[in-house]
Amino acid sequence: GNSVTQMEGPVTLSEEAFLTINCTYTATGYPSLFWYVQYPGEGLQLLLKATKADDKGSNKGFEATYRKETTSFHLEKGSVQVSDSAVYFCALSRSGTALIFGKGTTLSVSS
Amino acid sequence: GAGVSQSPRYKVAKRGQDVALRCDPISGHVSLFWYQQALGQGPEFLTYFQNEAQLDKSGLPSDRFFAERPEGSVSTLKIQRTQQEDSAVYLCASSSRWDTGELFFGEGSRLTVL
Repeated sequence: GNSVTQMEGPVTLSEEAFLTINCTYTATGYPSLFWYVQYPGEGLQLLLKATKADDKGSNKGFEATYRKETTSFHLEKGSVQVSDSAVYFCALSRSGTALIFGKGTTLSVSS
Repeated sequence: GAGVSQSPRYKVAKRGQDVALRCDPISGHVSLFWYQQALGQGPEFLTYFQNEAQLDKSGLPSDRFFAERPEGSVSTLKIQRTQQEDSAVYLCASSSRWDTGELFFGEGSRLTVL
């Protein structure tokens, strides 16, 4: 079946450090891939998405590239800020089906 | 309102009680989803509506769980005879389309069953 696997957290970084959160997926066909973020006390919100192989999604300095050959969609940011502290969820969707989420990765950034 | 609104935000129930969780989606959004999020886990799909039609309820864990959206806007998730394993955050999300994966989530209703 379809599934998403994220790296275990928590991830603890200093401000301005480089961030990578790994995500791999298993799916039949060609899913769309997403990163959602949940800031403390807020609901989940879409961070970025990619709908086909080699697409790069980007938003707020974060980016992720849809890699079909490695079935991956790793999230990266060149310089994290304290305000990026949140829980990040990788997710996939096949057309006509609901989002399937990974378990989430907690990021904590200190100044 | 501007976003998806869920109520109550927190609910404590004794085992065996019935609970009802409400979701007000973004106005005009035809698609509505319910997810269950256990502590430290990602959201797990429960059910999906397009307008008033419940198109997929494959994620409902048992027949104690029931969801409705009678007029195609507000939705209620009902859990009968609650059990401790039902303790979780119940998330509602809405979307203007059903097939993009771009969902707008509420803050969730945290259910604790004692």
